[in-house]
Amino acid sequence: GAGVSQSPSNKVTEKGKDVELRCDPISGHTALYWYRQSLGQGLEFLIYFQGNSAPDKSGLPSDRFSAERTGGSVSTLTIQRTQQEDSAVYLCASSLGMSGGDTQYFGPGTRLTVL
Amino acid sequence: DQQVKQNSPSLSVQEGRISILNCDYTNSMFDYFLWYKKYPAEGPTFLISISSIKDKNEDGRFTVFLNKSAKHLSLHIVPSQPGDSAVYFCAARARYNQGGKLIFGQGTELSVKP
Repeated sequence: GAGVSQSPSNKVTEKGKDVELRCDPISGHTALYWYRQSLGQGLEFLIYFQGNSAPDKSGLPSDRFSAERTGGSVSTLTIQRTQQEDSAVYLCASSLGMSGGDTQYFGPGTRLTVL
Repeated sequence: DQQVKQNSPSLSVQEGRISILNCDYTNSMFDYFLWYKKYPAEGPTFLISISSIKDKNEDGRFTVFLNKSAKHLSLHIVPSQPGDSAVYFCAARARYNQGGKLIFGQGTELSVKP
């Protein structure tokens, strides 16, 4: 079956512009996560959605970052007024549900470059 | 504060030998640990996991060991193969965080030489 897909695969933008990154999770997965990986760093948690519950936004680095998940499926991560330090690979993952033991399946990521 | 640390950024091993990747953590609330493998331009893929109630979990060539008193875990790959060359990430989940949010280490790049 289809895995997690993300678009675009690469995005180059100018400082100050807004960007939207999209994630299509695996069908039937109720949990969706956004992480980012900056150069030479590990994956940093950003936000987590579980079903209809309020999202866990504890990892968002600033109020310029927001995310939504429509209809319990597709998610969009929006970065407003991008800064150079936002340059990173943004990774989306999904898993079956509430059990913390569920394996998270990752998409290929979106490489964001802010000039 | 780095709650999950992989202190070796890289490791080079000869094909057929054992690869040992190490990971240390600081948060005693972590109860579930995972290893992910990542190839360039791809997302991480799940490799193996271990619950804090165990000290060892084995899956084929891959074994994860957990030493709770030392807050240390390791991944053993035996025998190592050139296709194992990738970046390996250690990750942990806290028992109070039933949502499954993972805390990742910085990664170790494994190179297996033929």
